Amino acid sequence: GENVEQHPSTLSVQEGDSAVIKCTYSDSASNYFPWYKQELGKRPQLIIDIRSNVGEKKDQRIAVTLNKTAKHFSLHITETQPEDSAVYFCAASNEGNYQLIWGAGTKLIIKP
Amino acid sequence: SAVISQKPSRDICQRGTSLTIQCQVDSQVTMMFWYRQQPGQSLTLIATANQGSEATYESGFVIDKFPISRPNLTFSTLTVSNMSPEDSSIYLCSVLQGEKLFFGSGTQLSVL
Repeated sequence: GENVEQHPSTLSVQEGDSAVIKCTYSDSASNYFPWYKQELGKRPQLIIDIRSNVGEKKDQRIAVTLNKTAKHFSLHITETQPEDSAVYFCAASNEGNYQLIWGAGTKLIIKP
Repeated sequence: SAVISQKPSRDICQRGTSLTIQCQVDSQVTMMFWYRQQPGQSLTLIATANQGSEATYESGFVIDKFPISRPNLTFSTLTVSNMSPEDSSIYLCSVLQGEKLFFGSGTQLSVL
């Protein structure tokens, strides 16, 4: 079955620097890749998603890139701010199968 | 996105008892799901709540332990039965809108 690996498990960056979180998936049929942000004690929130017919998608300071050949996708956060501190989860699913397969999560720490 | 209300937000229960968690959505949705998130862990799908039929459970979860109701397209309940300390976790309902998954605010359950 599908497996999603996420790295790193913890990422500490200086405020203002960029952060990159990477995920690798195993099922070549996967075609939908969302990213969720979960602040401490809160629900996971969808922050950006990408479909496999697109290589990159951007929304202000966050972007997601997808490499279908290598079967990996990445979340990029530029000009990091304290409010970016959270756990980030990647996930994957394929058309016709609504179930998301989740990565293990990355704890992002923004150092002042 | 749908507004998803979940209650209770937290509870402390004695072992051997049961707790029913409610999930109310402000619009009709076909797909509703129940997840468990143990401290510091990723999201684990418990079951898909099907309107008008029995829930579909994932491997490792059984109906006797986690009975689910889905009486209509806006409401579902998850019961955690005969609780033990190992059931201490956050329980999240979620709904699918298009291909996007949105979460309720979660129920933090502690079992003593």
